[in-house]
Amino acid sequence: QQQVKQSPQSLIVQKGGISIINCAYENTAFDYFPWYQQFPGKGPALLIAIRPDVSEKKEGRFTISFNKSAKQFSLHIMDSQPGDSATYFCAASMGTGNQFYFGTGTSLTVIP
Amino acid sequence: EAEVAQSPRYKITEKSQAVAFWCDPISGHATLYWYRQILGQGPELLVQFQDESVVDDSQLPKDRFSAERLKGVDSTLKIQPAELGDSAMYLCASSHGRLAKNIQYFGAGTRLSVL
Repeated sequence: QQQVKQSPQSLIVQKGGISIINCAYENTAFDYFPWYQQFPGKGPALLIAIRPDVSEKKEGRFTISFNKSAKQFSLHIMDSQPGDSATYFCAASMGTGNQFYFGTGTSLTVIP
Repeated sequence: EAEVAQSPRYKITEKSQAVAFWCDPISGHATLYWYRQILGQGPELLVQFQDESVVDDSQLPKDRFSAERLKGVDSTLKIQPAELGDSAMYLCASSHGRLAKNIQYFGAGTRLSVL
């Protein structure tokens, strides 16, 4: 059973546009929600993360929006650039040092 | 910048052969994870170590997979015998563990192809 559901599977955005990727979860025990970025042939790298005590976190062009009541969270990439083209994974975990449950990934292509 | 090291980067093997992957976590990281990532999917945890002890291996196919972290530092994941369905990327990650903010750092992975 997929613990974290991610959509869309793929996304094509024009340079300068906004990329939005959505994730949903069921387990209310999750208390840490990171987003990872993965380039071909590389391992995932942490992009930004949020805990459920805040509704939004922004780091540069990347923003996580978190809706605790709906059990949903999303990644917004503002002013998308061709260098942002990668696969993005949302994840969730409970407690420190515990395993991550990853979404199925979103392949983002930013067209120049 | 410290990185999680994995080797080999690529491995091609025939069905029923044995394969082994190695991981060296970031120095000082007590927690080590092995994930399997099938093409087009997210990583799935196989085994988690806290120092040299296994914390979670519930998703590890123990009839053919084994993992060890004898001195609590580097780790080896073995598959014997390999099956066609084992073709995937095997990722190692590490974190500080209990002292962490749950940040897991991933290595570049080992791409396994079973023929």
